[in-house]
Amino acid sequence: GENVEQHPSTLSVQEGDSAVIKCTYSDSASNYFPWYKQELGKGPQLIIDIRSNVGEKKDQRIAVTLNKTAKHFSLHITETQPEDSAVYFCAASTTGTASKLTFGTGTRLQVTL
Amino acid sequence: GAVVSQHPSWVICKSGTSVKIECRSLDFQATTMFWYRQFPKQSLMLMATSNEGSKATYEQGVEKDKFLINHASLTLSTLTVTSAHPEDSSFYICSAYGGGGLSGNTIYFGEGSWLTVV
Repeated sequence: GENVEQHPSTLSVQEGDSAVIKCTYSDSASNYFPWYKQELGKGPQLIIDIRSNVGEKKDQRIAVTLNKTAKHFSLHITETQPEDSAVYFCAASTTGTASKLTFGTGTRLQVTL
Repeated sequence: GAVVSQHPSWVICKSGTSVKIECRSLDFQATTMFWYRQFPKQSLMLMATSNEGSKATYEQGVEKDKFLINHASLTLSTLTVTSAHPEDSSFYICSAYGGGGLSGNTIYFGEGSWLTVV
């Protein structure tokens, strides 16, 4: 089955700096890669996703890149703000069949003033 | 975006009793729903996949007789923790997939339900 690794497990950046979180996956059949933000005591919130037919996607301060050959994808947050502090999870699955998401282990992002 | 609602947000029950958690897709029909549990500072662990009108598919190690899942309609799935024990205390989260339409082939999560068994 699919295996998703996520690094780093914790990340501390100063407000205004950029943050990068990286994930690798094992199953070459995976073609859907969402990123979720989870605040304490809440369910994960989808912040951006990318499908295997594109290499990069951007939404304001958030961007995701995908390298299918290397089987890795990354989340980039620019101009970080304190409200970006949360746990971020990457995931991988195949679309069209509602295949289950395989999650990474999470990255705790702390944005300091 | 699409909305998935869970109820209750938190529940405390006595050891040995059963508790039901509901997951509803509010603005799309969810052909598939997933149930996860999450322990503090850990990732989400998939418990089972639920397809409307059919039996749930449980992940290895998850007791199907203890965690009863029902997906009777395209907008509602329920998880019943039977004969709950303190070790079942956890954060339970559902997600829903609509296969297109408003959900756009995306999986959306509910807000989660905190279960504490005393």
